[in-house]
Amino acid sequence: AQSVSQHNHHVILSEAASLELGCNYSYGGTVNLFWYVQYPGQHLQLLLKYFSGDPLVKGIKGFEAEFIKSKFSFNLRKPSVQWSDTAEYFCAVNPPGSGGSYIPTFGRGTSLIVHP
Amino acid sequence: NAGVTQTPKFQVLKTGQSMTLQCAQDMNHEYMSWYRQDPGMGLRLIHYSVGAGITDQGEVPNGYNVSRSTTEDFPLRLLSAAPSQTSVYFCASRPRGYYGYTFGSGTRLTVV
Repeated sequence: AQSVSQHNHHVILSEAASLELGCNYSYGGTVNLFWYVQYPGQHLQLLLKYFSGDPLVKGIKGFEAEFIKSKFSFNLRKPSVQWSDTAEYFCAVNPPGSGGSYIPTFGRGTSLIVHP
Repeated sequence: NAGVTQTPKFQVLKTGQSMTLQCAQDMNHEYMSWYRQDPGMGLRLIHYSVGAGITDQGEVPNGYNVSRSTTEDFPLRLLSAAPSQTSVYFCASRPRGYYGYTFGSGTRLTVV
């Protein structure tokens, strides 16, 4: 069973549109949450992370995400996208692991295309 | 300041051949992992290591071996390549504690 779900597999937007990508997880207990971005032909880069504290997390390039514990969600948002945001976005969750190894599980990714 | 270095970037193998994908990091990270990325499947964990001499299996370990003799290196061995192993392979590392992963640039492997 998929433990990290990204609901939108493909999203197409025009520049300046607002973005929200969904991520839900099925683990109970304390989790650590991440969003990674993969630009075309490149490796994954960390956008933002949540470990504790303020559930609204701000990352690089104007992205933010909100952890809603009651909904098991960690949605990624950006108020106004740019053509350069065209990429694949991955949500990842460190489940409550053994021995503190915290090996993340990745969602299947959301492909975002932004038209100029 | 190289980060995570993977070699080779591209490789074509024949079915049944063996090879080693190299991964090295110069950040003294304790944790290292190998993932494969396939269209529509996201990243799936093959093997991981939480320190030199310690490795464990991930979600899709069959057909792959790893070892971690030093903190810096974490090679992935394909024992007998199969077309199902055609994929893009990423190595990643992170320090102990509350950090995300640093990824290498990937190896695109084709098995014919």
